[in-house]
Amino acid sequence: DARVTQTPRHKVTEMGQEVTMRCQPILGHNTVFWYRQTMMQGLELLAYFRNRAPLDDSGMPKDRFSAEMPDATLATLKIQPSEPRDSAVYFCASGLVLRVNTGELFFGEGSRLTVL
Amino acid sequence: GQSLEQPSEVTAVEGAIVQINCTYQTSGFYGLSWYQQHDGGAPTFLSYNGLDGLEETGRFSSFLSRSDSYGYLLLQELQMKDSASYFCAVGTPLVFGKGTRLSVIA
Repeated sequence: DARVTQTPRHKVTEMGQEVTMRCQPILGHNTVFWYRQTMMQGLELLAYFRNRAPLDDSGMPKDRFSAEMPDATLATLKIQPSEPRDSAVYFCASGLVLRVNTGELFFGEGSRLTVL
Repeated sequence: GQSLEQPSEVTAVEGAIVQINCTYQTSGFYGLSWYQQHDGGAPTFLSYNGLDGLEETGRFSSFLSRSDSYGYLLLQELQMKDSASYFCAVGTPLVFGKGTRLSVIA
């Protein structure tokens, strides 16, 4: 059963600490997305990769957030230093280019981050 | 950029039909997608409309009118398990509306 896997599922940390979230996209998917979901803002795009190359990270606060794909099976989202306003659920999604153009993404279960 | 408008909440009775509307503004349009998300869960893909008209998938249908920049999701024979949030989305990468929370009541 192919699925997007995210770790950790839950993270509670203190302001100023570094947070790293990891995502394993579905094998063979060549596009990867990071979204952040909050009650106020809904689902916001943070970063977007195709064939491991970053295509769009305009939604990401550059001073504290970074996103990478060290290899095709791993995407990371790092926050350093974390702030209480970063508290949210972070979703990773993957897809095939042709299917992505028809709106079909596969989401992981999310990483719920709480920054105290 | 893109923006999407959809109602924040809808309540409907089990067994009934409900329609969730979505209007959008986008600079380049390729199609309208719909996602379902249960509380605490992940968004899951429901449907995509690239052309005008109605697409049917079981109890769910989705409609698009490109000339009106408008679409809707139609849920028939509502079941309690359909209680969830429903998002319309456009673009590549996808930009999502704020979501419509559907409550199905007995």
